[in-house]
Amino acid sequence: GENVEQHPSTLSVQEGDSAVIKCTYSDSASNYFPWYKQELGKGSQLIIDIRSNVGEKKDQRIAVTLNKTAKHFSLHITETQPEDSAVYFCAASRGGSQGNLIFGKGTKLSVKP
Amino acid sequence: DAGVIQSPRHEVTEMGQEVTLRCKPISGHNSLFWYRQTMMRGLELLIYFNNNVPIDDSGMPEDRFSAKMPNASFSTLKIQPSEPRDSAVYFCASSLEQKRRELFFGEGSRLTVL
Repeated sequence: GENVEQHPSTLSVQEGDSAVIKCTYSDSASNYFPWYKQELGKGSQLIIDIRSNVGEKKDQRIAVTLNKTAKHFSLHITETQPEDSAVYFCAASRGGSQGNLIFGKGTKLSVKP
Repeated sequence: DAGVIQSPRHEVTEMGQEVTLRCKPISGHNSLFWYRQTMMRGLELLIYFNNNVPIDDSGMPEDRFSAKMPNASFSTLKIQPSEPRDSAVYFCASSLEQKRRELFFGEGSRLTVL
């Protein structure tokens, strides 16, 4: 069946450094790729998303890139801050249904002051 | 807005007991999702509703799991009988059907089955 692979599972960086999380997906019909941030004890929140008709999207310190040919997409966080510490999930739509998402297993990001 | 409200936040029960998890979606949202989160499998979609109608329940593990949405402001996920392997955090999320289907998650219900 369809799946989303996410790497690494844990990532530790120094404050101010960049962090990169990578995901690959298997469903060639996927056309929507959101990223969610889950802070401890809370539900996940959407931080950025990208559709298949663009290759890159940026929002302040966060950027996402998409390579549809290779079926992979990445999250880039620059100038990391301690408050960026959380679990990050990538997701891909199941076929063309943006509401039906397949999530990766998450990356626990720790930003050390 | 209060956001998606789930209850209980924590539940500890014994194997064989019935468990009912509750969710109140954001007012005006017409899609509701139940997810299960474990270390091994991450976030898995169990079932989702659109306008109170179940659209895809292929993620429901087995007949012990059932979900209902009797109206636009309430949904339940029931496990009967519960088993230790059902221990997980169960998240409810809602969204407004539009071009950008952002999911708004509740804070989750942590279930422990002994």
